[in-house]
Amino acid sequence: DQQVKQNSPSLSVQEGRISILNCDYTNSMFDYFLWYKKYPAEGPTFLISISSIKDKNEDGRFTVFLNKSAKHLSLHIVPSQPGDSAVYFCAASANNAGNMLTFGGGTRLMVKP
Amino acid sequence: GAVVSQHPSWVICKSGTSVKIECRSLDFQATTMFWYRQFPKQSLMLMATSNEGSKATYEQGVEKDKFLINHASLTLSTLTVTSAHPEDSSFYICSARPYLTVAKNIQYFGAGTRLSVL
Repeated sequence: DQQVKQNSPSLSVQEGRISILNCDYTNSMFDYFLWYKKYPAEGPTFLISISSIKDKNEDGRFTVFLNKSAKHLSLHIVPSQPGDSAVYFCAASANNAGNMLTFGGGTRLMVKP
Repeated sequence: GAVVSQHPSWVICKSGTSVKIECRSLDFQATTMFWYRQFPKQSLMLMATSNEGSKATYEQGVEKDKFLINHASLTLSTLTVTSAHPEDSSFYICSARPYLTVAKNIQYFGAGTRLSVL
């Protein structure tokens, strides 16, 4: 049972445009959400996170939106840059579950120059 | 800040040998470290949670006698793949959660270790 899903395995965007990566979850106990960026043969790099008490968190070109009622979160990257090309994982944790992270399957973002 | 070092980055070994992978938090203390495994084009699968000074907690389906975890200090955890076989070939990644942080849910990851068992 996949508790965190990223339904788009890949996304292609033109440089300068907005990239929107989506993530859905099923466990209503999740109360903290994170986005990680991963290059091949490297460990994930933390990008941005959001607590369930918020619906938006912004950090530079990255903004995460959380819709609790829909159990949906998204990562917006604007403007997209070729260096953003990587695999993006969303992850969720629950305070009552030791704050372990449950990862989605990842979305490969390709930003074309 | 929040750098996690993982060593080695790549190891090739013969079937039946044991391989040790180290995970160090360089600039913070981590009471909890995690070990993940990633198969090609798949997500990260949590193998075990390692707490300093106590036994690791393994996820269902992970053989604790096969994957020995030791968390001897607040900055070091090791994963030993015992009697490795070709099916153990994978990308292993560790992460560490800072002990003193407001964002207690954030894990910082090492660069990963690619294990190839011949």
